[in-house]
Amino acid sequence: QLQLQESGPGLVKPSETLSLTCTVSGGSISSTSYYWGWIRQPPGKGLEWVGSIYYSGTTYYNPSLKNRVTISVDTSKNQFSLRLSSVTAADTAAYYCARQSVGGTYWYFDLWGRGSLVTVSS
Amino acid sequence: QSVLTQPPSVSGAPGQRVTISCTGSSSNIGAVYDVHWYQQLPGTAPKLLIYVNSNRPSGVPDRFSGSKSGTSASLAISGLQAEDEADYFCQSYDSSLSGSVFGTGTKVTVL
Repeated sequence: QLQLQESGPGLVKPSETLSLTCTVSGGSISSTSYYWGWIRQPPGKGLEWVGSIYYSGTTYYNPSLKNRVTISVDTSKNQFSLRLSSVTAADTAAYYCARQSVGGTYWYFDLWGRGSLVTVSS
Repeated sequence: QSVLTQPPSVSGAPGQRVTISCTGSSSNIGAVYDVHWYQQLPGTAPKLLIYVNSNRPSGVPDRFSGSKSGTSASLAISGLQAEDEADYFCQSYDSSLSGSVFGTGTKVTVL
C-alpha cells in the first residue's frame, strides 16, 4: 500500500529557507497516472495548496507563493521536495505531501502523508 | 486565500442528517471543474471523502454523499454518528489560479 512521509526541520529562522522532503513507499513516484503535491495548514486554520509536480519535473505553483517556492523530484530516491524561501511567521504551518489525481475536469488529493509541523521563529 | 466558501460550523444530533455547502465562482465550481471533499479528524491529516462530486473512495460509508449544481456543491451526512465529528473541506480546480483551491472549512459537531 502506497504511503507518503514528510521529513525535515521542525524549526526555521525568519528569512531563511524551509526545506521538506516527501518519501513515497509502496509505489513508484514515476507513475504516469499521478502528480505529487504539497498542501499546508497554519495552526487552527484551513488548507492551502502550495504546489504540485509531475515525475517529469513539470511544476505548478500557488500564485501567492510562486516567487518563493520550488518543488523538485528525485525519481531515483522516490522522493519529491519543497523549498520555501524568505520565510516569516506566517509560513508556520503543518505541511502535508499528497498524491494527486489529475484529469480534464478534476484535480484531487487521494493519499496524504501524516504532515510535518514547521515553526518559523528566531 | 480560500476562494470556496463554507459555513464555519454545522451541528446535529446522532442519527440526524446535516449538509455542508461549498460556494465558488465561474472560474472553479461554476466552470467544468469537479468538487472533492475531505474529512479531517482532530490531530490527523485530511482524508479524501468524496471525489469528482459524488464518488466515494473504498471504505467510506454510504452515509456520506456529495452533489454539485451551478457554482455550488454540497456534502450530506445522514445518520450522523459521534465519529463524524471533524472538520470538512471542499476543494476544486480554479482556472484563474491554474491550481487547486480549498474551501474555508466546516466544523461538524455531534450534539
